[in-house]
Amino acid sequence: NAGVTQTPKFQVLKTGQSMTLQCAQDMNHNSMYWYRQDPGMGLRLIYYSASEGTTDKGEVPDGYNVSRLKKQNFLLGLESAAPSQTSVYFCASSNGLAFQETQYFGPGTRLLVL
Amino acid sequence: DQQVKQNSPSLSVQEGRISILNCDYTNSMFDYFLWYKKYPAEGPTFLISISSIKDKNEDGRFTVFLNKSAKHLSLHIVPSQPGDSAVYFCAASAVGNQFYFGTGTSLTVIP
Repeated sequence: NAGVTQTPKFQVLKTGQSMTLQCAQDMNHNSMYWYRQDPGMGLRLIYYSASEGTTDKGEVPDGYNVSRLKKQNFLLGLESAAPSQTSVYFCASSNGLAFQETQYFGPGTRLLVL
Repeated sequence: DQQVKQNSPSLSVQEGRISILNCDYTNSMFDYFLWYKKYPAEGPTFLISISSIKDKNEDGRFTVFLNKSAKHLSLHIVPSQPGDSAVYFCAASAVGNQFYFGTGTSLTVIP
């Protein structure tokens, strides 16, 4: 039982490049989330998905897109990376309705945009 | 604007003593509060929670206190152990809405 896994662990991008951060959970959780963590700030919600096929914006969605085509996977896309997107990205999942249950986090992806 | 604040970036405590981590919030609609613990290169892990109908919740060495009138919660760890050294985040939400996280307090327990 791996819980929540994220790939890659670390990535360097040039400004304007695109990439997809991958998140997978094996707990059959309904809800999944993407957060970013920046120095001096708490985790901030980018997007979340309350169920397979549905996604909603969080606090800081600009510059990102997401997809939840399968229940166990939640993808975060950066279409045109900017230095302001340099951050550590955490994926999380929870059972039941969104934000109603404990969230389980992955180990994070450290992204550097040059 | 930070709705959840942890004003102490770091805290050092001797092994066996009490660790007290503090958290303040501004939104009076928040009614559910959690503490997460994070080790380096790992994701946050859930530690303990409390709802606004309570003012205290205990789980082993960990106790969370909630003072709604002061919009303040604290996490007490007694006795502190070296393995407790980590970054602790508090988070708050209004039921069914997103969690807002504090900036974290780095706890070091000195053997």
